[in-house]
Amino acid sequence: AQSVAQPEDQVNVAEGNPLTVKCTYSVSGNPYLFWYVQYPNRGLQFLLKYITGDNLVKGSYGFEAEFNKSQTSFHLKKPSALVSDSALYFCAVRSTGGGNKLTFGTGTQLKVEL
Amino acid sequence: EAGVTQFPSHSVIEKGQTVTLRCDPISGHDNLYWYRRVMGKEIKFLLHFVKESKQDESGMPNNRFLAERTGGTYSTLKVQPAELEDSGVYFCASSPGQGVTGEAFFGQGTRLTVV
Repeated sequence: AQSVAQPEDQVNVAEGNPLTVKCTYSVSGNPYLFWYVQYPNRGLQFLLKYITGDNLVKGSYGFEAEFNKSQTSFHLKKPSALVSDSALYFCAVRSTGGGNKLTFGTGTQLKVEL
Repeated sequence: EAGVTQFPSHSVIEKGQTVTLRCDPISGHDNLYWYRRVMGKEIKFLLHFVKESKQDESGMPNNRFLAERTGGTYSTLKVQPAELEDSGVYFCASSPGQGVTGEAFFGQGTRLTVV
């Protein structure tokens, strides 16, 4: 079985400061990792993914994530947060043994304040 | 290019009634998925269509839920009869191809409230 943990329900950060949203996973087989963002009253939007290759993945809106196989983590990062980054962030995983379905974490609410 | 669209955006029904949710995937996407988020918890997989065939329905909670994708285009998810615990946001997603490496594109969701 595959699972994802997002240990923080909410992350608060000041605008201009770096942000990190944490994600750890558990799979059998090779992991394919994804980050999605949900803005208020909107659907889930794809941010970035890790499939293979370079452990540092860059995505939309200046976000990046680092795949760490030994720690089974895929933390989302941004060097300088914007108020407009405030949203609900979901980490998700697929695996070669798990079929096409995505397994999501519980989500982390990011709040960026002036 | 139009994205994944879902209808209705909100639905409030009484316990015991029937509700049908609709999803129009991105044109040409063979893969269509239904997911559900209940009470602020994780987004849970319900089922996966490849064209008109059910590839994986392991996440369907019980036989009150029926999903169809006639003709391999749009899909419907019917809940009959609805129970209070069915309340939540139902997401539809689609993706092209058959690999596990591609991202899925999500609709805005249908918020279902059963009272």
